[in-house]
Amino acid sequence: NAGVTQTPKFRILKIGQSMTLQCTQDMNHNYMYWYRQDPGMGLKLIYYSVGAGITDKGEVPNGYNVSRSTTEDFPLRLELAAPSQTSVYFCASIEMAGNTEAFFGQGTRLTVV
Amino acid sequence: EDQVTQSPEALRLQEGESSSLNCSYTVSGLRGLFWYRQDPGKGPEFLFTLYSAGEEKEKERLKATLTKKESFLHITAPKPEDSATYLCAVPAGNMLTFGGGTRLMVKP
Repeated sequence: NAGVTQTPKFRILKIGQSMTLQCTQDMNHNYMYWYRQDPGMGLKLIYYSVGAGITDKGEVPNGYNVSRSTTEDFPLRLELAAPSQTSVYFCASIEMAGNTEAFFGQGTRLTVV
Repeated sequence: EDQVTQSPEALRLQEGESSSLNCSYTVSGLRGLFWYRQDPGKGPEFLFTLYSAGEEKEKERLKATLTKKESFLHITAPKPEDSATYLCAVPAGNMLTFGGGTRLMVKP
């Protein structure tokens, strides 16, 4: 049981490049979230999903896109990377019914230069 | 609007000096409040879930309490290894909203 797995762990992008951050969970959780965390700050919600085929915007969605074709996977797409997207990105999953503890991946540290 | 606010933003303690961290929230129909610990360069690690006012939970030197408007994370006789950022979060609709965190530093 791996929990929540994020890849890559580190990435450097040039301005205008695109990339996909991968997130996979093996707990059959319905709810999945993408957060970004800037240095010394809390977690800001980018996008979330309540099940396969359903996604919705969080607080800071501009410049990002997501998809949820399966329960396990919730990739985050950055189009036309900008320096303002330099951050650490965390994926989380949770089962809202019953025990609602959220499990986090180890994060992806992204630098846009 | 649903909000979660943590205070103080940073806290420096001497080893053994007990203190409390605060998490204030405004959300309709609280379905739980979560505390997490985050070490530098790592993802948040779950500590506690509190569901109703008056509830308390303990783990080693940490005790979390909940009222109708706020939660406290009490740290008794902290050690340097307790140094971390402590985050609280509440479900708001289908989202999970976090506070800004409290950076705790415990000096020997």
